[in-house]
Amino acid sequence: QSVLTQPPSASGTPGQRVTISCSGSSSNIGSNTVNWYQQLPGTAPKLLIYSNNQRPSGVPDRFSGSKSGTSASLAISGLQSEDEADYYCAAWDDSLNGDWVFGGGTKLTVL
Amino acid sequence: QVTLKESGPVLVKPTETLTLTCTVSGFSLSNARMGVSWIRQPPGKALEWLAHIFSNDEKSYSTSLKSRLTISKDTSKSQVVLTMTNMDPVDTATYYCARMTVTANFAFDIWGQGTMVTVSS
Repeated sequence: QSVLTQPPSASGTPGQRVTISCSGSSSNIGSNTVNWYQQLPGTAPKLLIYSNNQRPSGVPDRFSGSKSGTSASLAISGLQSEDEADYYCAAWDDSLNGDWVFGGGTKLTVL
Repeated sequence: QVTLKESGPVLVKPTETLTLTCTVSGFSLSNARMGVSWIRQPPGKALEWLAHIFSNDEKSYSTSLKSRLTISKDTSKSQVVLTMTNMDPVDTATYYCARMTVTANFAFDIWGQGTMVTVSS
């Protein structure tokens, strides 16, 4: 059971816009920034979004992030076949001695 | 070019201690703006953070695994070492190390390829 809650799956057709949600609590998303990772099949995760809505160099602007209260979202516009991957949200959790917590992951299928 | 590479045993027996090494290049473990985390992923499951260490030797551990983990670094060798005691089959996973940098607000910005560890007798 992951601390952050994501839908297990999402899908869209090429060119569409899809969003993936990530729900947490006051000790994690509510008080810290959210990062998003993309994991292509059989590969290591890759940083996609940090600090809620910042893209690292090289990440296309088709990917965007937002946060409101204790929830966050990742949006992918102009969906492409190569976007088919698992997506994870993460945030620092201030409870107890502090932990990085992840969502359970969302498998995105491009139909 | 920044790279991280994990190394360690492929197979460990239950109750044994696992020792993993992360060898980094392209940045220094003495850089005050950076740190290294260990993260694992059981087959078909989600990511789980284990521990991190910074240049000033500040360390933090997963609350649920704290009693079993030790993280350390050897700056001269550019290596970060994670030990996990009392291994169990549920610890079977791919173990990743990843860099954390202040410029990305300590997100895991560069990951190693991962090393798969199986726990079985």
